[in-house]
Amino acid sequence: EVQLVESGGGLVQPGGSLRLSCAASGFTVSSSYLSWVRQAPGKGLEWISALYSGGTTYYDDSVKGRFTISRDNSKNTLDLQMNSLRAEDTAVYYCVRQQSSTTTFDYWGQGTLVTVS
Amino acid sequence: IQMTQSPSSLSASVGDRVTITCRASQSISRSVNWYQQKVGKVPKLLIYDASSLQSGVPSRFSGSGSGTDFTLTISSLQPEDFATYYCQQSFTRPTFGGGTRVEIE
Repeated sequence: EVQLVESGGGLVQPGGSLRLSCAASGFTVSSSYLSWVRQAPGKGLEWISALYSGGTTYYDDSVKGRFTISRDNSKNTLDLQMNSLRAEDTAVYYCVRQQSSTTTFDYWGQGTLVTVS
Repeated sequence: IQMTQSPSSLSASVGDRVTITCRASQSISRSVNWYQQKVGKVPKLLIYDASSLQSGVPSRFSGSGSGTDFTLTISSLQPEDFATYYCQQSFTRPTFGGGTRVEIE
């Protein structure tokens, strides 16, 4: 069974850093397409970053240069290093698996809340 | 690519036929997915590639469209369908519509 479990969220001051981690089971992160999608309180969904099986990374302009997506194949985890955090980064961050090599999000983690204040 | 959903909210009764539309700012073939999100829950994939039903999703959900205009239809609204629905384009870097909240009338 595919499962994604995020951790690492919390309260951080503006300008601070936080590292999110997503533990995957039921599949191998190194051979998968994975993304981070966030949702500000009471707002809609926003894709922010992706890491493809070949190692290519993608970022939305809103986080480019501040966030870094990576994976640890030995631990089967996906990570998101977030630096220079801003109030507008406050959101629930979801780790999401993409269906095959598409940008269709078929499995979602339960999310972890990041509050920048 | 911008995805514009309408309406932003609607009220309906159990048994009603509900239609939600999504318009893309440019042609995206059939690269649209639909998700359902209940309050406090994780989004769930309903429809992919405009009209393909995700495994386990009830057949009362259907999708259609191509190019710039897409539709999600619930043929007979059930109590468990009250939620917010999002479209998402998978043609380029993914973007989501603003959501449609389906409420009880």
